[in-house]
Amino acid sequence: NAGVTQTPKFQVLKTGQSMTLQCAQDMNHNSMYWYRQDPGMGLRLIYYSASEGTTDKGEVPNGYNVSRLNKREFSLRLESAAPSQTSVYFCASKTPDYIGETQYFGPGTRLLVL
Amino acid sequence: DAKTTQPPSMDCAEGRAANLPCNHSTISGNEYVYWYRQIHSQGPQYIIHGLKNNETNEMASLIITEDRKSSTLILPHATLRDTAVYYCIVRGRNSGNTPLVFGKGTRLSVIA
Repeated sequence: NAGVTQTPKFQVLKTGQSMTLQCAQDMNHNSMYWYRQDPGMGLRLIYYSASEGTTDKGEVPNGYNVSRLNKREFSLRLESAAPSQTSVYFCASKTPDYIGETQYFGPGTRLLVL
Repeated sequence: DAKTTQPPSMDCAEGRAANLPCNHSTISGNEYVYWYRQIHSQGPQYIIHGLKNNETNEMASLIITEDRKSSTLILPHATLRDTAVYYCIVRGRNSGNTPLVFGKGTRLSVIA
């Protein structure tokens, strides 16, 4: 049981390049999330997915797109990277509310946009 | 979700109990108290949660006051690896897919 996994761990991009951050969970959770965390700051929600086939914007969705490929996988795409998107990106999945909501986070992807 | 107040930082000697307080005076009856922590450069980690009874698991104990306006997370024998930022979050049982809101938390430094 690997929990939540993310790839890649590190990435350096040039302004304007695109990339996709991958996230997968093996806990059969319906809900999945993408957060970003800037140095010294708290987590900010980018997008979330309540179930396979559905996605919704969070607090800071501009410049990002997401795909909920299946129940396990939730990817985050940067179409044209900007230096302001330099951050650490965390993916998370959540247990159902009826058993006590708990979010499980991946190890993070550290992204530097030059 | 109710707002929480935590001290910005605390120190604890290794091997001693770390007691981290949290005030949530506007908590409502169906809201749980959750604790997460974030060790440097890692993803946040769930620790424990409770409604009104005290709770204990392999990581920590959670003591909630009778009026539920405050709580304390207890790490019984703190180690250097417990150095992290600890977040107290109050959240309704049926919050659906609204995101967790991590405030500034308490930075716990465990000192050898």
